[in-house]
Amino acid sequence: GENVEQHPSTLSVQEGDSAVIKCTYSDSASNYFPWYKQELGKGPQLIIDIRSNVGEKKDQRIAVTLNKTAKHFSLHITETQPEDSAVYFCAASTYGNNRLAFGKGNQVVVIP
Amino acid sequence: EAQVTQNPRYLITVTGKKLTVTCSQNMNHEYMSWYRQDPGLGLRQIYYSMNVEVTDKGDVPEGYKVSRKEKRNFPLILESPSPNQTSLYFCASSFGYGQGGSPLHFGNGTRLTVT
Repeated sequence: GENVEQHPSTLSVQEGDSAVIKCTYSDSASNYFPWYKQELGKGPQLIIDIRSNVGEKKDQRIAVTLNKTAKHFSLHITETQPEDSAVYFCAASTYGNNRLAFGKGNQVVVIP
Repeated sequence: EAQVTQNPRYLITVTGKKLTVTCSQNMNHEYMSWYRQDPGLGLRQIYYSMNVEVTDKGDVPEGYKVSRKEKRNFPLILESPSPNQTSLYFCASSFGYGQGGSPLHFGNGTRLTVT
C-alpha cells in the first residue's frame, strides 16, 4: 500500500519567516494530496489540497507544490504567525482507492 | 453547522469493560472512518465504511468493531479494551474517495485511557 513520509518531524521558525514541510510518497498512482492542520485539542482540519494534474496551488499564505517525478509534495507557509503553530499532516490517495494514507505529522512551532 | 460529533471527549475505563464511542455527522456523507493517533505514529486507520452496512478494515483493526446501520452514525466498539488501546481516537467523514479524493472532516477526538 501507499507509504507517506514527512520531514522534518519538528520545525521551529521565527515569526515572519517561511516554513516548508516536505512529504514523499511511494505509490506513483497516487493522485490526491491533502494537507491537514491539527491544533491542540482539536481534530485535523484540511487546509489545502492538490491533485496530480496540477503542479502548484496557493491559498493566501499557504501553498503546496507537487513533483510527480520525484514523488514528493511540499507545504509552504509564508510570513508565519503564532497561530500557525500546530501539527501538520500530509496524506495521499489513489483514484478508486477508498483509503487515505497519512504521514506521521510535523510539529511546527512559530517563535514570536 | 456542518460537523462530526464524537462522544465522549474523555473516557477512562478498566481492562475488559466493553465500551462504545459514538460518532455522528450531519453532512450526508457516505464515507466514514475511525483513526487512532499515537505519539510518533501519526494517524492510523482502524475501520472505514463506504456506505450503510458496508465496512472494511483499516491498518489496525484488531480489538475493534464498528457498525453502520444509519448513514449518519458510525460507532466504534471495544468489546474487551486493553491498555494498548489507550489512545486519541478520531472519527472522520467525507463524500467518498472513489472519485480520486475528497476532503475528510474530523471530529474533535476522544481520549481513551484503559487501566
